[in-house]
Amino acid sequence: EAGVAQSPRYKIIEKRQSVAFWCNPISGHATLYWYQQILGQGPKLLIQFQNNGVVDDSQLPKDRFSAERLKGVDSTLKIQPAKLEDSAVYLCASTSLGAVNYNEQFFGPGTRLTVL
Amino acid sequence: AQSVTQLGSHVSVSEGALVLLRCNYSSSVPPYLFWYVQYPNQGLQLLLKYTTGATLVKGINGFEAEFKKSETSFHLTKPSAHMSDAAEYFCAVSDRNNDMRFGAGTRLTVKP
Repeated sequence: EAGVAQSPRYKIIEKRQSVAFWCNPISGHATLYWYQQILGQGPKLLIQFQNNGVVDDSQLPKDRFSAERLKGVDSTLKIQPAKLEDSAVYLCASTSLGAVNYNEQFFGPGTRLTVL
Repeated sequence: AQSVTQLGSHVSVSEGALVLLRCNYSSSVPPYLFWYVQYPNQGLQLLLKYTTGATLVKGINGFEAEFKKSETSFHLTKPSAHMSDAAEYFCAVSDRNNDMRFGAGTRLTVKP
């Protein structure tokens, strides 16, 4: 089974520019997460989708970050405008609600963002 | 709200020695507990998880962890370290709604 796909793997931008990240979860996984992992820290949840609806976006800086999952499959996370402190790895994860793997999140390789 | 504390941001062991990575959690509900490993420039990979049942959980690559409710701990162990175990390890706690919170991570170094 194919894993969680993310692109691009690396992105370098200047502050105040915009950037977008893409995630394609494992086929059939209804729940999708975006995490921000700052160097030296654990991942922090930004937003959680259930199909195409938002379950939790309480930690998403909504003045500059936005995310969508229009068809309930792949998702896009956008930052506009970027700040220096947004430099981090952005991880996408997905999970199914099946009995065996419930609560196990499968992670993509991440997108490393550097804001100069 | 749930939280996780990982004691020791860096742990160094010799090849063949015991690996012990410490994790304490805080949760107002019965927790789900996880250990993930992250190799450089890669995403997180699940090592093992505790949901219900047996408190000693065995995972991949020879790792295991024991859920101790009285100590609110979920320490990760491996009897004999291998060079390939060098990585970042994250403990995480989740509730029934899949709200997962990660610790800050422990970097494991294995010396030859």
